[in-house]
Amino acid sequence: RKEVEQDPGPFNVPEGATVAFNCTYSNSASQSFFWYRQDCRKEPKLLMSVYSSGNEDGRFTAQLNRASQYISLLIRDSKLSDSATYLCAANTGGFKTIFGAGTRLFVKA
Amino acid sequence: DTGVSQDPRHKITKRGQNVTFRCDPISEHNRLYWYRQTLGQGPEFLTYFQNEAQLEKSRLLSDRFSAERPKGSFSTLEIQRTEQGDSAMYLCASSSLLAGGPHNEQFFGPGTRLTVL
Repeated sequence: RKEVEQDPGPFNVPEGATVAFNCTYSNSASQSFFWYRQDCRKEPKLLMSVYSSGNEDGRFTAQLNRASQYISLLIRDSKLSDSATYLCAANTGGFKTIFGAGTRLFVKA
Repeated sequence: DTGVSQDPRHKITKRGQNVTFRCDPISEHNRLYWYRQTLGQGPEFLTYFQNEAQLEKSRLLSDRFSAERPKGSFSTLEIQRTEQGDSAMYLCASSSLLAGGPHNEQFFGPGTRLTVL
């Protein structure tokens, strides 16, 4: 079992839709969590950090459920420009951050 | 530009050749990481430096791979006797022990795309 697992995707949604990504982690010692956005052939860019129960930034909401060991990312009112791969990552409190394989999102007009 | 920079951005080499990549982290960041990413996968951890000390190496990092950060600033990743399986994007990231607190937010460079023929 991978340490961080994400929905395999891809997700195809129309503009304006709400889309949710799920991510599970196996290491219960994980303390902080991150969502990164990665455009094709580009580097991952930090989208949100999640330390406690959740975090919200505009149309983006991340939630953490430590008991069930999963985090989610909700995108409301999706835009064409949201099309990208979304990577989930978990950090055990030290240096090591483990990334999921990513979920590809296509937002269509 | 005060972000993480990497050089070269692309490298094509023949099997058996040695290659070296450079990473310049964000200037105030004392932590530096190397990752490898292949198509359809997330970044895989290779190694980590805190200042000039290499504190961890992944089992993915065979003896053909070596990384240095001699003065605690820029880092180099060398691959000796490259193999076709080494073809990947090599990403560098940095974070700050102080500014990032315990949460270790990492910021990535643009990567070096290696193709081994």
